[in-house]
Amino acid sequence: QVQLQESGPGLVNPSETLSLTCSVSGTSIKGYYWTWIRQPPGKGLEWIGYNYYGASIKYNPSLRSRVTISIDMSTNQISLQMNSVTTADTAVYYCARPVSTRTEDALHIWGQGTAVIVSS
Amino acid sequence: QSGLTQPASVSGSPGQSITISCTGTSSDIGNYNYVSWYQQYPGKAPRLIIYDVTNRPSGVSNRFSGSKSGNTASLTISGLQAEDEADYYCSSYTTTTPVIFGGGTKVTVV
Repeated sequence: QVQLQESGPGLVNPSETLSLTCSVSGTSIKGYYWTWIRQPPGKGLEWIGYNYYGASIKYNPSLRSRVTISIDMSTNQISLQMNSVTTADTAVYYCARPVSTRTEDALHIWGQGTAVIVSS
Repeated sequence: QSGLTQPASVSGSPGQSITISCTGTSSDIGNYNYVSWYQQYPGKAPRLIIYDVTNRPSGVSNRFSGSKSGNTASLTISGLQAEDEADYYCSSYTTTTPVIFGGGTKVTVV
């Protein structure tokens, strides 16, 4: 059974760096476009970016200057770093895997999400 | 790039069919057959119910169907049930982002 589990600090100070980890079990990291998505309270989904096990990395243009998505195949983890956070970055953050290795979208497997609040 | 446009809410009675529209541009929906639909209950992660415009993942009810015409994709829920009351989001591959979402549609079963 494929499972994704996000983890990270629930509270981050403004202007600091947000660091989240997605632990993957039951599936290989290889071949998939591992994706991060976020959802501000009461709002819709926002695509953050993906990492295709290092061979291709793409980010939402609106976040590109502040975001890094990396993969550690030795620990089966995908990481998200976002620097210079503001209150607008308060959201539930999800990691997800597409339905197949040929797909960049069609996010089929999701973690349960981790809530992040940016506040001093 | 702006998100895809969905109606804020759609409602229907049990047993009826409803359709949710998702309007984009020639840079996304109009140019690719990579439209997905997600169902989300409050406090839960989204669930993929349609991908590649018309395909259903294993385990998804055939009451959910997708289609596309030009720059607009649609999700139809047939035989509406109380359990279908949720938020629904469309997404599309694009030439730039490369994935964008719609703003979401709240489905109410009245």
